[in-house]
Amino acid sequence: GQQLNQSPQSMFIQEGEDVSMNCTSSSIFNTWLWYKQDPGEGPVLLIALYKAGELTSNGRLTAQFGITRKDSFLNISASIPSDVGIYFCAGHINFNKFYFGSGTKLNVKP
Amino acid sequence: DTGVSQDPRHKITKRGQNVTFRCDPISEHNRLYWYRQTLGQGPEFLTYFQNEAQLEKSRLLSDRFSAERPKGSFSTLEIQRTEQGDSAMYLCASSVAGGGYTEAFFGQGTRLTVV
Repeated sequence: GQQLNQSPQSMFIQEGEDVSMNCTSSSIFNTWLWYKQDPGEGPVLLIALYKAGELTSNGRLTAQFGITRKDSFLNISASIPSDVGIYFCAGHINFNKFYFGSGTKLNVKP
Repeated sequence: DTGVSQDPRHKITKRGQNVTFRCDPISEHNRLYWYRQTLGQGPEFLTYFQNEAQLEKSRLLSDRFSAERPKGSFSTLEIQRTEQGDSAMYLCASSVAGGGYTEAFFGQGTRLTVV
């Protein structure tokens, strides 16, 4: 089946630092979504992207839909301790099911 | 609360027993998805409905798994003769289909432990 490669797998950063993570696929996607998941909870939608090249912000978070439509990036600026969690990318190919990456685990040191 | 609701949040069952989970989607959403997530992995697709029609089932969904959405509103996921390998978080999500702008919102999940 379709695989989304998400990197890095984990990150250890200092509070206040900026963070970048990305997701790539072998297929063209019509939609890219970014989620954050806390332990024992369901994923929470952060940002949705619908057009190649689109750049969308949500507070300190910025995500981009890659020009090739095969990748997406998420940046977090000025990280804070509550940013700790696992970040997942997800996408649609044909507007049916969503495919998910394996996640980037973010650790923030106060 | 108008988000996606899942019940129960936690279920511990003995191997061989049947279990059923319920999902109530966001009220105006016509699509409902079931995913399974094991520790350290991203959610894996199981099945999805548009209204009451089950449009796709993953090959992961063995004959022991069945899902329904009888009136196009809530959905149930049943696992028969549970096995230890079924232990996972079962996630439900809902969305609005059409228009090219599709965002899926997840419930809090049901954590299944098979002992």
